[in-house]
Amino acid sequence: DAKTTQPTSMDCAEGRAANLPCNHSTISGNEYVYWYRQIHSQGPQYIIHGLKNNETNEMASLIITEDRKSSTLILPHATLRDTAVYYCIVRGGGTSYGKLTFGQGTILTVHP
Amino acid sequence: DSGVTQTPKHLITATGQRVTLRCSPRSGDLSVYWYQQSLDQGLQFLIQYYNGEERAKGNILERFSAQQFPDLHSELNLSSLELGDSALYFCASGEAGTGELFFGEGSRLTVL
Repeated sequence: DAKTTQPTSMDCAEGRAANLPCNHSTISGNEYVYWYRQIHSQGPQYIIHGLKNNETNEMASLIITEDRKSSTLILPHATLRDTAVYYCIVRGGGTSYGKLTFGQGTILTVHP
Repeated sequence: DSGVTQTPKHLITATGQRVTLRCSPRSGDLSVYWYQQSLDQGLQFLIQYYNGEERAKGNILERFSAQQFPDLHSELNLSSLELGDSALYFCASGEAGTGELFFGEGSRLTVL
């Protein structure tokens, strides 16, 4: 699976959009981009994933560049409860879809 | 609530001992994944079982073993415990179609 690079930490004001970038320049054509988050030692929580089109769900939006070498996770209206470590993961398909390689992630701190 | 249940939540034991961690996947999920999260190594994939059979292996030590039973619950056995085995152990199960993983709340193991 391709390697990802994320900033170590980011800050965001409550109510503003949080934009978390991720570089995955070695991604291959059949690999998906996944985002998970982990709130203070709880189990990681799935947020969203995409292949090449932009995706949106009730939690967030995922913007993938046309060359697929980078992506941005957008939390449209961040709240204090969104403070967490956010992981960007690239993985292929297959039956071992749950074999994820977690990096260090981005620590997002949402301030009042 | 992810639907994945892990027991025990906390466990304190001594070096050289053996412990068993238990996981019940979400109803209908055939795959179970085990992950270890330690301070220095981050979240690491250990092993996957699918419908009772080992499907994928990660950085799992030889002192560790796992199995999945006919009712699909899984157990992770850790033996000859060392101080460095102190960590959070997560179990996950998932959606084969979306590739989304659901994590349990984890078992925190402390080896003294």
